[in-house]
Amino acid sequence: EVQLLESGGGLVQPGGSLRLSCAASGFTFSSYAMTWVRQAPGKGLEWVSSITGTGGSTYYADSVKGRFTISRDNSKDTVYLQMNSLRGEDTAVYYCVGGVPAINYYFVYWGQGTLVTVSS
Amino acid sequence: EVVLTQSPATLSLSPGGRATLSCRASQSVGSSLAWFQQRPGQAPRLLIYDASNRAAGIPARFSGSGSGTDFTLTISSLEPEDFAVYYCQQRTNWPRTFGQGTKLEVK
Repeated sequence: EVQLLESGGGLVQPGGSLRLSCAASGFTFSSYAMTWVRQAPGKGLEWVSSITGTGGSTYYADSVKGRFTISRDNSKDTVYLQMNSLRGEDTAVYYCVGGVPAINYYFVYWGQGTLVTVSS
Repeated sequence: EVVLTQSPATLSLSPGGRATLSCRASQSVGSSLAWFQQRPGQAPRLLIYDASNRAAGIPARFSGSGSGTDFTLTISSLEPEDFAVYYCQQRTNWPRTFGQGTKLEVK
């Protein structure tokens, strides 16, 4: 059974930092592109960042570029999102998403999400 | 950036009815479009990929069509569990983008 388990969310002050982790199981992690998607309270889905299976390529939304860093450790089947200089508009549920290579890396596997709240 | 515009914002139908949801792209995305369903309190679920292919385990009442800039998700006969929010998403260009969503509610 595929599982994506996010952790690391919580309350942080504006300007602060958090690191989200996503532990994967049930599939060949190193073959999958991994993505973070967020959803602000009562709002729609927003793509945040993606990383290829080897970690050799990374992609970011303009809204987080220069502040967030995606990385992965294939020996631990874990993907991370380092979030710095956090702002109120970063408040959201952050979902870890696995893109299945057999179907062009579409977003098949989703975690349950971890809530990040940026507030003083 | 490819902007995806979904319509209508809200669709009110009865169980057993037929739902037609639209997604329009600001530029061609070929067939590289997906549809997701999100029920309250749950993570999104992939329904359709490459515009018209049902994902594993998705009932046949869900179908997708379109290419280029105009796409449609059709639910042929609504079940109670289908009332949810639906999003389209493109994977042709970076950044990946989602539509703003269509809420399907019970009439």
